[in-house]
Amino acid sequence: GENVEQHPSTLSVQEGDSAVIKCTYSDSASNYFPWYKQELGKRPQLIIDIRSNVGEKKDQRIAVTLNKTAKHFSLHITETQPEDSAVYFCAAKLSGGFKTIFGAGTRLFVKA
Amino acid sequence: GAVVSQHPSRVICKSGTSVKIECRSLDFQATTMFWYRQFPKQSLMLMATSNEGSKATYEQGVEKDKFLINHASLTLSTLTVTSAHPEDSSFYICSVPLSGSSGANVLTFGAGSRLTVL
Repeated sequence: GENVEQHPSTLSVQEGDSAVIKCTYSDSASNYFPWYKQELGKRPQLIIDIRSNVGEKKDQRIAVTLNKTAKHFSLHITETQPEDSAVYFCAAKLSGGFKTIFGAGTRLFVKA
Repeated sequence: GAVVSQHPSRVICKSGTSVKIECRSLDFQATTMFWYRQFPKQSLMLMATSNEGSKATYEQGVEKDKFLINHASLTLSTLTVTSAHPEDSSFYICSVPLSGSSGANVLTFGAGSRLTVL
């Protein structure tokens, strides 16, 4: 089955700096890669996603890149703010269904 | 507002009892729902796929007799933790695929249920 690896597990940056979180997936049949943000005690919320026919997608301060050949995808947050502090999860969904497998999560701390 | 409602948000029970958690899709029909389990500071582990009108599909290592799933209607799936033990204490969270702006079916999560078994 699909396996999603995520690094780093913890990331601490200074406010205004950029943060990068990297993920790899194992199943080449995966075709959709969402990223979720989970604040303490709250439900995961989708922040950005990318489909396998796209290499890069940007939404204001966040961007996601996908390398299908290498089975890598990354989340980039620029000009980080304290409110960006949360746990971020990458995920991969196999084609032909809705089943989604999550990475282990990255705990991001943005220091003011 | 939230489109996926989960209840209860917190439950404490004695060892050996059963606990039922409900997941409702609001204002839309869901033939498929997913149940995840999240341990403190850990990832979301897929437990099972809840299928309306048919049996749930369980992930490897998840005991189907321990975690009973019923999806009797297009808006409700229930997860029952049977004969609960302290090791079942966890955060259980349901999700429903919804059509997103990218055209894909985006998983939308309920608020989760924190189960504590004494």
